[in-house]
Amino acid sequence: QSALNQPASVSGSPGQSITISCTGTSSDIGTYNLVSWYQQHPGKAPKLIISDVNKRPSGVSNRFSGSKSGNTASLTISGLQAEDEADYYCCSYGGSDTFVSFGGGTKLTVL
Amino acid sequence: EVQLLESGGGLVQPGGSLRLSCAASGFTFKTNGMSWVRQAPGKGLEWVSTISATGAVTYYADSMKGRFIISRDNSKNTLFVQMNSLRAEDTAIYYCAKLQSKAFDIWGQGTMVTVSS
Repeated sequence: QSALNQPASVSGSPGQSITISCTGTSSDIGTYNLVSWYQQHPGKAPKLIISDVNKRPSGVSNRFSGSKSGNTASLTISGLQAEDEADYYCCSYGGSDTFVSFGGGTKLTVL
Repeated sequence: EVQLLESGGGLVQPGGSLRLSCAASGFTFKTNGMSWVRQAPGKGLEWVSTISATGAVTYYADSMKGRFIISRDNSKNTLFVQMNSLRAEDTAIYYCAKLQSKAFDIWGQGTMVTVSS
């Protein structure tokens, strides 16, 4: 069982926006602004798309955005495109004992 | 080009050992923390271990403590993980990743480890 809780699947039509939630605790997401999000296409390595809650690495589309409220972080993808269909994972720092934990992953289907 | 290239995966019997390597290029290896993350077949990502830039500080997931040892050779730009007492549940693709703050900003292509008799 993953330390962070994500929905198993979400779906949306091209052009729409979707949001993936990631629920942790006061020991990780609730305390640290160190949430990251990863996109993984089948058979490929994960790719960092959001760091430090809401920072986009160079080259990542501005259609991807991150936020946090309390113990829950969120990834929003706007203007859905077919290429966004992938698995998405959240990750949070949890202090020196835990270091980091991943969510179980969310499969995004673009209808 | 920034690149991480893992090697050393393969088939090992339960209780056996394996050492994975990750060769880094295109960035200043000795100034960055590094990590191992694994993914069992059809499953999600699982953080394994992290080592500081100098190698002085290491972190392990609970299920790996006492069995896995992470290390690095900054003179050879290489990250390692020594995996002992391997179990069937350790079967996974093992990725090495560069650490930026507490995010993994660069990933290798992964190396498959299969623990089976």
